[in-house]
Amino acid sequence: GENVEQHPSTLSVQEGDSAVIKCTYSDSASNYFPWYKQELGKRPQLIIDIRSNVGEKKDQRIAVTLNKTAKHFSLHITETQPEDSAVYFCAASRSGGSNYKLTFGKGTLLTVNP
Amino acid sequence: DTEVTQTPKHLVMGMTNKKSLKCEQHMGHRAMYWYKQKAKKPPELMFVYSYEKLSINESVPSRFSPECPNSSLLNLHLHALQPEDSALYLCASSQRDGSGNTIYFGEGSWLTVV
Repeated sequence: GENVEQHPSTLSVQEGDSAVIKCTYSDSASNYFPWYKQELGKRPQLIIDIRSNVGEKKDQRIAVTLNKTAKHFSLHITETQPEDSAVYFCAASRSGGSNYKLTFGKGTLLTVNP
Repeated sequence: DTEVTQTPKHLVMGMTNKKSLKCEQHMGHRAMYWYKQKAKKPPELMFVYSYEKLSINESVPSRFSPECPNSSLLNLHLHALQPEDSALYLCASSQRDGSGNTIYFGEGSWLTVV
């Protein structure tokens, strides 16, 4: 099955700095890569996603890049703010019959220090 | 509106109790999911319903029994749980059961088994 590795497990940055979280996946058939943000005690919320036919996608301060050859994708957050502090999960999925499986990375705890 | 509503938000139950978690969405989504999340871990898939039929059971113990009464509702019936079943239970939905369909999570039900 799919395996998603996520690094680092914790990341601490100063407000205004950039943060980068990296994930690798094992299944070359994976074609959808969402990123979820989960604040303490709250639900995971989709912040950005990318499909395998695109190499980069940007939404304001957040961007995701995908390298299909190397099987890795990354989340970039610029001009970080204290409210960006949360756990971030990457995930990957592939098409397969009528079933759907989303494999998550183990998460990155991002702390933005004011 | 990307709202998945879960009740109750908090539940404490004894090991001999029978209780149910409820989930509702009105986005017209045809795939619904139950995930279990332990502290500092990613969500872990339990069940997938596609068009009101159970399509994935991730080898979940029979003390957890899912039910999908209609396309908007999803229940998780709990019976004879163990303390290690204490966790955040997340309901989620997506437009279809297939890769690339965004999964929207509910706020979750915090379950404590005593």
